[in-house]
Amino acid sequence: DIQMTQSPSTLSVSVGDRVTITCRASQTISNLLAWYQQKPGKAPKLLIYKASGLETGVPSRFSGSGSGTEFTLTISSLQPDDFATYYCQQCNSYPYTFGQGTKLEIK
Amino acid sequence: QVQLVQSGAEVKKPGASVKVSCKASGYESSGYTFITFGIAWVRQAPGQGLEWMGWINAYNGNTNYAQRFQGRVTMTTDTSTSTASMELRSLKSDDTAVYYCARAIRSGSLFDQWGQGTLVTVSS
Repeated sequence: DIQMTQSPSTLSVSVGDRVTITCRASQTISNLLAWYQQKPGKAPKLLIYKASGLETGVPSRFSGSGSGTEFTLTISSLQPDDFATYYCQQCNSYPYTFGQGTKLEIK
Repeated sequence: QVQLVQSGAEVKKPGASVKVSCKASGYESSGYTFITFGIAWVRQAPGQGLEWMGWINAYNGNTNYAQRFQGRVTMTTDTSTSTASMELRSLKSDDTAVYYCARAIRSGSLFDQWGQGTLVTVSS
């Protein structure tokens, strides 16, 4: 199975901050990576597909980059609604696996 | 808009089975039907991350299950009612989790719409 490792696990940030979350795959997955946002008690929401494709309706402050084994999710200017947990997911091969999550906390 | 509505919370004893349903609607507003896509099942234990369990292609009924659930899980669809179901057998306490269905696109690898989740509690 492909292992997905996110860093950091928790990030203390403030509104307006530029935020970067990293996701590393245990083997190359080309650009077949997605990012999801999950708020407490809610289902995940797709943000980014194919490493850098912005899902319809997702604000442009979210962006993704990377290929191979190293990927990043960037939030250019953090908004109050962005405090949540973020997960990466490899879409390359079965079983599809998720990172352990990165929780954004208020500093 | 697309909606996936799941069945309600369940409490089961160890060794029992649970079946969670997921009714899809709103596909037609985008020019699609239920059989255009698949349905994936993802679970989340309390305070933990997301775990992919498998998916079913609603067009042909083909399934792919995560190895750790092989032999214990069955995913089905009823295209007449646009409903997917996931049955998990021989439940253990560590199966306690919220179970999500999600619309699976791009050959089942990407999940663009999610159900609200169903809490399954396994306790004696």
